[in-house]
Amino acid sequence: AQSVTQLDSHVSVSEGTPVLLRCNYSSSYSPSLFWYVQHPNKGLQLLLKYTSAATLVKGINGFEAEFKKSETSFHLTKPSAHMSDAAEYFCVVSVLSDNDMRFGAGTRLTVKP
Amino acid sequence: NAGVTQTPKFRVLKTGQSMTLLCAQDMNHEYMYWYRQDPGMGLRLIHYSVGEGTTAKGEVPDGYNVSRLKKQNFLLGLESAAPSQTSVYFCASSYSQGLPYNEQFFGPGTRLTVL
Repeated sequence: AQSVTQLDSHVSVSEGTPVLLRCNYSSSYSPSLFWYVQHPNKGLQLLLKYTSAATLVKGINGFEAEFKKSETSFHLTKPSAHMSDAAEYFCVVSVLSDNDMRFGAGTRLTVKP
Repeated sequence: NAGVTQTPKFRVLKTGQSMTLLCAQDMNHEYMYWYRQDPGMGLRLIHYSVGEGTTAKGEVPDGYNVSRLKKQNFLLGLESAAPSQTSVYFCASSYSQGLPYNEQFFGPGTRLTVL
């Protein structure tokens, strides 16, 4: 079975500085990997997904993630944080189908002025 | 398009009471899902449906039942609520399970408290 570990439960950055949210996965097969964002009291929104095409995936709002098979990682980055990026971020791994998706515990991103 | 909607937004139940959460989507998606979100645990799949009239168990199905009588609706039922079912419940839908159309669209959530 696959699993995902988000290495930080909380990350705090200053506005305008880079963002790094770390995610490691475990999977016996070639995975699909996703990052979702959840703003307070809202549902989840897809930021980006990796589906075995390019290893560097670009998403919405300036976010991107790089799939590194040798490190079993799929870290999310953004060059410059904005106040509106403050939210909870979930890394998700799927091997066979959507009913087999596994969510990480989440990373709460705080952006300081 | 409203996307995925959930009713109600909040609910407080007493132990042993029953209730039904309604999820509706207007995107003509075949696949629908119910998750629960608990602090520090991410989202866990309760039940899912791959089409009208079908349902299947997910990771944490005990204590819940579901029905998909219409393609656009997916109901989650709690027959006898327990405090352990206090959680935020999310419904989601997707066009398919295969790439590249397997993005799940989420509703705004239902916050349920069981006393």
